[in-house]
Amino acid sequence: QVQLVQSGAEVKKAGASVKVSCQASAYSFTNLDIHWVRQAPGQGLEWMGWFHPNSGNSGYAQTFEGRVTITWDASIRTAYMEVSSLTFEDTAVYYCARGMGATAFDVWGQGTLVTVSS
Amino acid sequence: SYVLTQPPSVSVAPGQTARITCGGHKIGSKSVHWYQQKPGQAPVLVVFDDTDRPSGIPERFSGSNSGNTATLTISTVEAGDEAEYYCHVWDTSRDHPVVFGGGTKLTVL
Repeated sequence: QVQLVQSGAEVKKAGASVKVSCQASAYSFTNLDIHWVRQAPGQGLEWMGWFHPNSGNSGYAQTFEGRVTITWDASIRTAYMEVSSLTFEDTAVYYCARGMGATAFDVWGQGTLVTVSS
Repeated sequence: SYVLTQPPSVSVAPGQTARITCGGHKIGSKSVHWYQQKPGQAPVLVVFDDTDRPSGIPERFSGSNSGNTATLTISTVEAGDEAEYYCHVWDTSRDHPVVFGGGTKLTVL
């Protein structure tokens, strides 16, 4: 059964960077996409960007362009999402999710809470 | 960018039918996906491509999409259906191709 297992909670200072991982178990990502979605406390879902392991292509929401980088380590089937120049508004739960082209996200990671403090 | 509009809340008694709408310009021309999210948990896909259900999702969950409104229908609502529900579409915008609705809190009275 496919699972996406994310790294643990993080507490970071404003201005720092955070890198969250998402490992796929029992599954090959090469033909599918990995997406990152975040959810601020009490708020809705916000799409951040995507990465296609097979082609190496990626895309980001304009809001995050230049501040978010999504990468992939094929040797350990793990995707990474790094956010730089953190502000308090980046405090959120960050989710990875699996997709295939322009379709639904059928498998989600458990989420990683990132707290930005002063 | 494309905007999806959902009612903030819907309330229904157990055993009744809940209908959650998702409005968008000509949304009927797009494929709509629906997610259920319970407090402290990750979203779960309940309907994809307007009307299809992933394996394991009860038949009580169904979807429709036409014109400017897509609808998630939950029949014979149970207490365990109480959750936040989000609609999702892909847009042609290169700046923001993935769009989520603002979410609807389903309360089972």
